[in-house]
Amino acid sequence: DSGVTQTPKHLITATGQRVTLRCSPRSGDLSVYWYQQSLDQGLQFLIQYYNGEERAKGNILERFSAQQFPDLHSELNLSSLELGDSALYFCASSVPLSTGELFFGEGSRLTVL
Amino acid sequence: KNEVEQSPQNLTAQEGEFITINCSYSVGISALHWLQQHPGGGIVSLFMLSSGKKKHGRLIATINIQEKHSSLHITASHPRDSAVYICAAREGSQGNLIFGKGTKLSVKP
Repeated sequence: DSGVTQTPKHLITATGQRVTLRCSPRSGDLSVYWYQQSLDQGLQFLIQYYNGEERAKGNILERFSAQQFPDLHSELNLSSLELGDSALYFCASSVPLSTGELFFGEGSRLTVL
Repeated sequence: KNEVEQSPQNLTAQEGEFITINCSYSVGISALHWLQQHPGGGIVSLFMLSSGKKKHGRLIATINIQEKHSSLHITASHPRDSAVYICAAREGSQGNLIFGKGTKLSVKP
């Protein structure tokens, strides 16, 4: 158990809909990262938050947004969903100023029909 | 051309064999990560390297910064090592990783 909790584990929805994925980092970790793993693109970095502020942005679509709340949990919002958004979405957290080890959640599997 | 390339894509080994997975990258990096993804989908961080060599149990990771190459070795492989192993190059920010496509390892008893 990494200590990073993601919900929901599975989600099935329709095209055009909006979903929210939630991540609770390990106790004490200030950084949260979101990644997408799809069959055709593999793993891709989406976005990083550090102590409530956006720190780095990767290949995140404009239809997607994220935020980190004062209690350090984070949410990834996916809107106007398309079939191609079907993927595993991972959250990871890390200790600030650490050697760089990342702790991953179990992922949220999104299926868009 | 992918910025991070792994080889082989698939690897089948017999229990007890010594295994090597290779990773080459074309970008400037501050560190390289090795990750393990289990069949159920969960990802575990194995190593983070910026130079030299690290060892954890039967796993050894090495990196050659000049040659932009890293290897993951598994000694005395076991069926429970069956998983996808992913290398990821870190540019800049800690979690901003560029991932390889993974090596699917299957260890037969």
